[in-house]
Amino acid sequence: GNSVTQMEGPVTLSEEAFLTINCTYTATGYPSLFWYVQYPGEGLQLLLKATKADDKGSNKGFEATYRKETTSFHLEKGSVQVSDSAVYFCALPPEAAGNKLTFGGGTRVLVKP
Amino acid sequence: KAGVTQTPRYLIKTRGQQVTLSCSPISGHRSVSWYQQTPGQGLQFLFEYFSETQRNKGNFPGRFSGRQFSNSRSEMNVSTLELGDSALYLCASSRTGNSNQPQHFGDGTRLSIL
Repeated sequence: GNSVTQMEGPVTLSEEAFLTINCTYTATGYPSLFWYVQYPGEGLQLLLKATKADDKGSNKGFEATYRKETTSFHLEKGSVQVSDSAVYFCALPPEAAGNKLTFGGGTRVLVKP
Repeated sequence: KAGVTQTPRYLIKTRGQQVTLSCSPISGHRSVSWYQQTPGQGLQFLFEYFSETQRNKGNFPGRFSGRQFSNSRSEMNVSTLELGDSALYLCASSRTGNSNQPQHFGDGTRLSIL
C-alpha cells in the first residue's frame, strides 16, 4: 500500500536560513502529493500540492517538486521566518477512492530569531 | 466562508466512559474524515464518511465508531475509553471525496483520559 517516509525532526534553524525537509513515497501510479502544516494548537492546513510528475507546488515561499524518478517531494524554503515554526507533514491519497490520507511522521521545525 | 468546526475543543474523561465528538464540515462538503493524532503514532486515519455512508475505515477497534447525518455533519463515538485513547482527534472535509482533492481540517478535539 501507499506509504510516506519523512525526515525526523526537530529541525532548528536561525531566521533567514534555508530549510529542506525530505519526503519520499511509495505508491501505485502517480498520485497527487501534499504538504500540510500544523501550527501550535491548530489543525492541519494545506501548504501546497502537486498533481502530476514534475509539477512544482508553491505557497508562502515554500516549494516542492514532484520527482517520479526518485519518488520524492522534498519541501524547501529559501529564507525561513520565526512564524514558520510548525510541524510539517508530507501526505498522499489512497490507492482507491475516498479521502484516506497517508501521512509521514511529521517534521517539527523551530526557527529562532 | 466558515471552516471545519469541531466541538468540543477539549474534553476530559475517565477510563470506561464513552465520548461523542462532533464535526461540522465546510458548507457544500460531503466527505468527512477523522484522524487520531498522538505523539507516538502520529496521524492515523480512523474512517471516512461520504453521503452518510462509511466509505473507508482504518485499523482501529470497534470501540471507535462514527456516523454522518444528511446535512454532512459527522460524529464519532468512542466507548469504554482507555488511557491510550488520549489524543487530538481531527476532522477533515472535502467537497466530493475525490482522492486528489485537499482536505480541510478543523482545529481538533483534545481528549484526555484520566
